[in-house]
Amino acid sequence: SAVISQKPSRDICQRGTSLTIQCQVDSQVTMMFWYRQQPGQSLTLIATANQGSEATYESGFVIDKFPISRPNLTFSTLTVSNMSPEDSSIYLCSVEARYYGYTFGSGTRLTVV
Amino acid sequence: AQTVTQSQPEMSVQEAETVTLSCTYDTSESNYYLFWYKQPPSRQMILVIRQEAYKQQNATENRFSVNFQKAAKSFSLKISDSQLGDTAMYFCAFTASQGGSEKLVFGKGTKLTVNP
Repeated sequence: SAVISQKPSRDICQRGTSLTIQCQVDSQVTMMFWYRQQPGQSLTLIATANQGSEATYESGFVIDKFPISRPNLTFSTLTVSNMSPEDSSIYLCSVEARYYGYTFGSGTRLTVV
Repeated sequence: AQTVTQSQPEMSVQEAETVTLSCTYDTSESNYYLFWYKQPPSRQMILVIRQEAYKQQNATENRFSVNFQKAAKSFSLKISDSQLGDTAMYFCAFTASQGGSEKLVFGKGTKLTVNP
């Protein structure tokens, strides 16, 4: 299965600023997924990113707040914009490997102060 | 709605004993994949075991096995000979199709503690 490198692993940010999270995959994949995991909660899908097209956002998530780039088949970024303390969460990227089980990055722990 | 229910928020087990985590799900599809993921404090999501819905045989991976009851939409995880390293959050998930695309739907998780 694919190996994902996710950066940064953690960050502490001031409210009102933005943070960009990167995921690099060691093989070409069609779809990449971005999740948010709020403290003590399960994973919630933010959006699905296909190379060469606009990301598809889940209900409750909008592009202005969580812009996503997918410039090629091995890389994607998620930006958390105009952050507030409510954005403090773990953010994870994932790639499709349906039969083998979806593979996840190691996560980014974001704290907004 | 496509949902996953894990009815046990927390469980504990003694080292070397067996524990079963429950999971039920709701879908109208006939073919899908089911997964159990483990998330230790390191927050890395680790695949424990997977099951294809069209296969009747229950999946096994070393000390981990599932009891898959398709008609009942039940997918429980049994951990045998529990080890301290099994302490983690466990999430049940399945592949859900929505609007022509596919995504993973997760349950709320079960926090498992293995006691020495």
